[in-house]
Amino acid sequence: RKEVEQDPGPFNVPEGATVAFNCTYSNSASQSFFWYRQDCRKEPKLLMSVYSSGNEDGRFTAQLNRASQYISLLIRDSKLSDSATYLCAVNCLLMDSNYQLIWGAGTKLIIKP
Amino acid sequence: ETGVTQSPTHLIKTRGQQVTLRCSSQSGHNTVSWYQQALGQGPQFIFQYYREEENGRGNFPPRFSGLQFPNYSSELNVNALELDDSALYLCASYVGAGNNEQFFGPGTRLTVL
Repeated sequence: RKEVEQDPGPFNVPEGATVAFNCTYSNSASQSFFWYRQDCRKEPKLLMSVYSSGNEDGRFTAQLNRASQYISLLIRDSKLSDSATYLCAVNCLLMDSNYQLIWGAGTKLIIKP
Repeated sequence: ETGVTQSPTHLIKTRGQQVTLRCSSQSGHNTVSWYQQALGQGPQFIFQYYREEENGRGNFPPRFSGLQFPNYSSELNVNALELDDSALYLCASYVGAGNNEQFFGPGTRLTVL
């Protein structure tokens, strides 16, 4: 089982619709969770951190479910410009007591007019 | 923009050659992580540097090495290049340990022929 898993998609969604994706992680000791957006042939850009209480930023809502070990991203009123690959990242403790981010392979989202 | 810069943007090398990639971190950030991202995959952690010391390493062979300088900029060196080293190489800068939000440079696209 991969440490961080995402449905690769693509999710084809009409403009204006609501779409949600999940990201599951295997390390129950993980403490920090992030959603990034990556456009084709560009670098990942931080979309939002995911907090225990859930957080919202405009049309985007992120939630953490520790019991089931997944994070979710909800996009409301989707725009054409939301088309991108959405990567989740989860921190894991290395054997040398340092942390690193483990990344999912990303979920591709295509918003259609 | 994140303020993280990388050079060069593109590079073509042949098998067996050596390459050095450079990264300037965002002002105020003391940690740099390097990632390799193959097409259709999430970033794979290579290593991270904190205050000029390597303090975490992923599952990459010793021919991948790095440095961090007093101004927190960093280099990634890869010796004896292999075809599978062709990828987008990303550096991310942040403050402190791997729990914190990371901000990426635009990446260096390396092609090994």
